[in-house]
Amino acid sequence: DIQLTQSPSFLSASVGDRVTITCRASQGISSYLAWYQQKPGKAPKLLIYTASTLQSGVPSRFSGSGSGTEFTLTISSLQPEDFATYYCQQLNIYPQTFGQGTKVEIK
Amino acid sequence: EVQLVESGGGLVQPGGSLRLSCAGSGFTFSSYAMTWVRQAPGKGLEWVSGISGSGLTTYYADSVKGRFTISRDNSKNTLFLQMNSLRAEDTAVYYCAKGQTLSGSLGYDYWGQGTLVTVSS
Repeated sequence: DIQLTQSPSFLSASVGDRVTITCRASQGISSYLAWYQQKPGKAPKLLIYTASTLQSGVPSRFSGSGSGTEFTLTISSLQPEDFATYYCQQLNIYPQTFGQGTKVEIK
Repeated sequence: EVQLVESGGGLVQPGGSLRLSCAGSGFTFSSYAMTWVRQAPGKGLEWVSGISGSGLTTYYADSVKGRFTISRDNSKNTLFLQMNSLRAEDTAVYYCAKGQTLSGSLGYDYWGQGTLVTVSS
């Protein structure tokens, strides 16, 4: 199975900060990577797919990049509603594994 | 409007069985892959199982292979997860989610509200 390792696992940031989360795959997955946001008690929300394609309706402050084994999710200017946990998921090979998550909290 | 509504969760004893359902509406159900993802209390997301739009191809996590069976009834727009030989470590909120393609390679854009499965004596 492909392992996804996110870093950091926890991030403390302020409104307006630029935030970057990294997801590393144990083997190449081309660009078959998605990013999700999850708030407590809610289902995940798809933010980005194929590593860099913004899902419809998602604010442009979210962006993704990378291919192969290293990927990043960037929030250009953190907003109050962005405090949540973020997960990457590889979609190249089944099982479609998730990273362990990155919790973004208010500094 | 796309909607996914799960049902069938509850309390079950170790070794028991449960069948989860996920009713889809607002889209052409048979045109999209579907998946089950679970989240144990206070933990991260774990992919459980996936099925192609036609239902002919299924996939499972090693942790549930041989115990869980995914299926779909495209005539009733419903996804199922039959869970047998349940263990305490299967306790989680189970989400169904809709793929953006027949194969599920572009992520999952709509999710149900989740149904809680608790395995305990």
